[in-house]
Amino acid sequence: SQQGEEDPQALSIQEGENATMNCSYKTSINNLQWYRQNSGRGLVHLILIRSNEREKHSGRLRVTLDTSKKSSSLLITASRAADTASYFCATDGGAQKLVFGQGTRLTINP
Amino acid sequence: DAGVIQSPRHEVTEMGQEVTLRCKPISGHDYLFWYRQTMMRGLELLIYFNNNVPIDDSGMPEDRFSAKMPNASFSTLKIQPSEPRDSAVYFCASSFGTGNPNGELFFGEGSRLTVL
Repeated sequence: SQQGEEDPQALSIQEGENATMNCSYKTSINNLQWYRQNSGRGLVHLILIRSNEREKHSGRLRVTLDTSKKSSSLLITASRAADTASYFCATDGGAQKLVFGQGTRLTINP
Repeated sequence: DAGVIQSPRHEVTEMGQEVTLRCKPISGHDYLFWYRQTMMRGLELLIYFNNNVPIDDSGMPEDRFSAKMPNASFSTLKIQPSEPRDSAVYFCASSFGTGNPNGELFFGEGSRLTVL
């Protein structure tokens, strides 16, 4: 079964707006990661947040983690057309393998 | 540095044929993963290796699928015989785990398989 579930499944916003995607998971984790996938390409790692961290920043990305609610969010600020992609969260669920959610398809309209 | 290299990028074959997908991980990485991506099931982990040894193959769908890693720089995923439901994009990924495979994964560009 899927460990991480993203919400929403699809998101369409105007360039310059902020985009927020959420991820919920079921079991305890060591860390949670976010990846981006452009159409027809492989996944690219964006950011990793450990279970003892609550927030992490990388450029225009901000990730939060709430282990009590078993949820995480990815915020992309000042979105650009190049941010159009699918975004996945991945968790280890305490086991030694990453499990990916179904992803959020983000479309940035010019 | 070269990333994870997969071949072929596209494969179209007929039901019953043998398919071999190839992967060259990033030099120095000690974990290698095979994933399958479909619209219906998303991204599924098939098998992963640590130091060339298969650790968990519980995601391999059935006996028609097999994976090998004869050395640190090469892995294959074989489907024999192939079926239309095997149509998917197959990704190889590698990581430097230092005993923990849950670090950042580096993905190849994938092999898109179509079985007619």
